[in-house]
Amino acid sequence: QEQLVQSGAEVKKPGASVKLSCKASGYTFTSYYMHWVRQAPGQGLEWVGIISPSGGSTSHAQRFRGRVTMTRDTSTSTVYMELSSLRSEDTAVYYCARGAARTHFDYWGRGTLVTVSS
Amino acid sequence: SYVLTQPPSVSVAPGKTARITCAGTNIGSKSVHWYQQKPGQAPVLVIYFDSDRPSGIPERFSGSNSANTATLTISRVEAGDEADYYCQVWDSSSDRVVFGGGTKLTVL
Repeated sequence: QEQLVQSGAEVKKPGASVKLSCKASGYTFTSYYMHWVRQAPGQGLEWVGIISPSGGSTSHAQRFRGRVTMTRDTSTSTVYMELSSLRSEDTAVYYCARGAARTHFDYWGRGTLVTVSS
Repeated sequence: SYVLTQPPSVSVAPGKTARITCAGTNIGSKSVHWYQQKPGQAPVLVIYFDSDRPSGIPERFSGSNSANTATLTISRVEAGDEADYYCQVWDSSSDRVVFGGGTKLTVL
């Protein structure tokens, strides 16, 4: 069945970068978009961006402009999200979520906790 | 940018009906999706395209969308329905996903 397996928790210092991974299985990787969504502690869901696994095109929320890079490796069915110039406000659980018809999410990973602290 | 507004909390007694609203300008012209999130877990899709239910989601969950308000309705509420609920749209004008702020459903 469909599954998204995310990389483990990260602890980073302010100003550093973090690269997260999300490995898909149980379906045709290139047939579905992949989104990244984050959730700060005790807060709501926030959309980060989207990648097309087939062509590699991306789009992201305005607030991450210049700081987020999303890539994919079709040979391993894995997508990556790198966030740079980390600040304490980036502390959150980051989820990858499969895009159904691009517009919504039908399967989610378990999330990766990123902690930014000096 | 497009904004979705949800009430922070809704409380309901077991067996009763809970209605969670999601307000947005002319939201009736967009497709609305709803997610349930329990503590420490990833969100789960419970309603998509306003009123469709994924397989495995009980018929007690239903959705509607008109004018400036979309509504998630949970009938015959059970203790296990206690969770945070988020509405979501794809804003085609900006090519972005937008989430509501979330509503905490408490079963009394």
